[in-house]
Amino acid sequence: DAGITQSPRYKITETGRQVTLMCHQTWSHSYMFWYRQDLGHGLRLIYYSAAADITDKGEVPDGYVVSRSKTENFPLTLESATRSQTSVYFCASSERVGGTEAFFGQGTRLTVV
Amino acid sequence: DAKTTQPNSMESNEEEPVHLPCNHSTISGTDYIHWYRQLPSQGPEYVIHGLTSNVNNRMASLAIAEDRKSSTLILHRATLRDAAVYYCILMEYGNKLVFGAGTILRVKS
Repeated sequence: DAGITQSPRYKITETGRQVTLMCHQTWSHSYMFWYRQDLGHGLRLIYYSAAADITDKGEVPDGYVVSRSKTENFPLTLESATRSQTSVYFCASSERVGGTEAFFGQGTRLTVV
Repeated sequence: DAKTTQPNSMESNEEEPVHLPCNHSTISGTDYIHWYRQLPSQGPEYVIHGLTSNVNNRMASLAIAEDRKSSTLILHRATLRDAAVYYCILMEYGNKLVFGAGTILRVKS
């Protein structure tokens, strides 16, 4: 099925552990984005990518690492999880930014204990 | 990044039109105006976008001021399912997608 898929949907991890959130899209969109949304707040951009092997920082990149070796995948890694990284994470993709719509995944709810 | 200003919240009656305003006085000539909404416990979804002219689609209409410094999202007949947070975003071609605080729309039956 065409679309954008995030996995896992829910994750509980311990402080200090490395955790990777996966994002996969089937449209071959050039642009992909990672956001976090804390309870009662809006979405904040963590990282984005304009194409495979091209990534750039967003508003809140500290503590996160991304890679994009293939167009369709954009994993987000928390190198050493902290409680402040407890959040809902959304991935999005867009053919190009501006004149076309962006599509969002259903989110990954991450709890760091 | 060009900024947008939206009211924190608005309320509407079911079956009535809703006009959601957005101010973007620092908009540049290449910025597209996008609207997304986020229903409870879901990811954001696209509503509509435009550059200079008014736009209509099955979900809503977008009215853009002649000087492009403001725009209005119009839901023609609000339903309970339209209760969501609505985000107005300026997106420069080729640039990143940054959200503001949005407007919480409450729909009363």
